[in-house]
Amino acid sequence: EAGVAQSPRYKIIEKRQSVAFWCNPISGHATLYWYQQILGQGPKLLIQFQNNGVVDDSQLPKDRFSAERLKGVDSTLKIQPAKLEDSAVYLCASSWRQGTYNEQFFGPGTRLTVL
Amino acid sequence: AQTVTQSQPEMSVQEAETVTLSCTYDTSESDYYLFWYKQPPSRQMILVIRQEAYKQQNATENRFSVNFQKAAKSFSLKISDSQLGDAAMYFCASHRGNDMRFGAGTRLTVKP
Repeated sequence: EAGVAQSPRYKIIEKRQSVAFWCNPISGHATLYWYQQILGQGPKLLIQFQNNGVVDDSQLPKDRFSAERLKGVDSTLKIQPAKLEDSAVYLCASSWRQGTYNEQFFGPGTRLTVL
Repeated sequence: AQTVTQSQPEMSVQEAETVTLSCTYDTSESDYYLFWYKQPPSRQMILVIRQEAYKQQNATENRFSVNFQKAAKSFSLKISDSQLGDAAMYFCASHRGNDMRFGAGTRLTVKP
């Protein structure tokens, strides 16, 4: 089966610009996750969707970050405006459903550099 | 909240030798899962091995095995017969409900 797809793989922007990342989960997976991985750290969960509803967005900086999963399939994560500290790899993952335990399958990530 | 600590930023091992990566965690829950993920330079997180907290038997997957000490909240990964392809970042993670927490990672170098 096809894995989690993400685009773009790399993005370089200047601070205060906007950027959007796209994720297409594994077919049939109801739960989708966005993680932020800053260099030298482990991934940190930003937001979790169950179908098209938000399950957890407690660590999402809502003043500048937004995410949607309108039809319960693919998802978009947006940053507006970007700051230097947003430079990171943004990983998308999906699982069959939420909860303990459902294996999360990760995409290749998008590396964002904010200058 | 769960916390996961990996105290070894870097480790190295000679090809064909054995290496152990350390991980400690802190959770107040009794039902949780623990994972080791591998992240090569391609950035794709790959699940290496998982352990259910209620199982006393240590998980094993081919050359990878864990030493799960629930009382000590310790979850180390042993890689036997190390191969060049094992070189990567390794992340320990704790999963309970909707909460998945990762450690900071250990960079493993395999020397030929």
